[in-house]
Amino acid sequence: EVVLTQSPATLSLSPGERATLSCRATQSVGSFLAWFQQKPAQAPRLLIYDASNRATGIPARFRGSGSGTDFTLTISSLEPEDFAVYYCQQRGNWPPPFTFGPGTKVEIK
Amino acid sequence: EVQLVETGGDLIQPGGSLRLSCAASGFTVSRNYMSWVRQAPGKGLEWVSAIHSDGSTYYADSVKGRFTISRDNARNTLYLQMDSLRAEDTAVYYCETTVPQGNYWGQGTLVTVSS
Repeated sequence: EVVLTQSPATLSLSPGERATLSCRATQSVGSFLAWFQQKPAQAPRLLIYDASNRATGIPARFRGSGSGTDFTLTISSLEPEDFAVYYCQQRGNWPPPFTFGPGTKVEIK
Repeated sequence: EVQLVETGGDLIQPGGSLRLSCAASGFTVSRNYMSWVRQAPGKGLEWVSAIHSDGSTYYADSVKGRFTISRDNARNTLYLQMDSLRAEDTAVYYCETTVPQGNYWGQGTLVTVSS
């Protein structure tokens, strides 16, 4: 089973700053990695699929990169609505489970 | 419009059973890969189970042998039968799918396992 680790656990930043979130897999998942954003009391929302493709309606300030075992989500300039928890999920190693990482909380500094 | 609506969450005693439903609209459940994801209070997301369009089913080790995923094509509904429930199964349960229009999640249904 693929295990995902995310770092840092918490990122304290101010609006307008750049956020860099990392996700690492214990074995290659190719480019089959997704990023989700979750706000309190809401269902997760897909931001990025297949490592670097933005989902419909996702602003260009969200950028995904990486392949194999190392992935990055970059938010170029944080908006107030971007403060949330971010999860990566691997969808590359068939069959499931399609595990999630433990999450990175982006909080207001 | 694609919509997923989960129901069936409840307070249940350890060892009990519960069936969750996920009613879908705007697409055909039987033609899509669908999954259940849960989130314990204050914790992260945990993938639980999935069903492929070909009917193949998959489970996390933590629920294997206790949970069963299924679908009713006529009702266009996904189910999760949960047996031998434990305190650690307490969570909000979401159904989720990806269709051509995008990735969709329901609003979640809360399962509380406690005596």
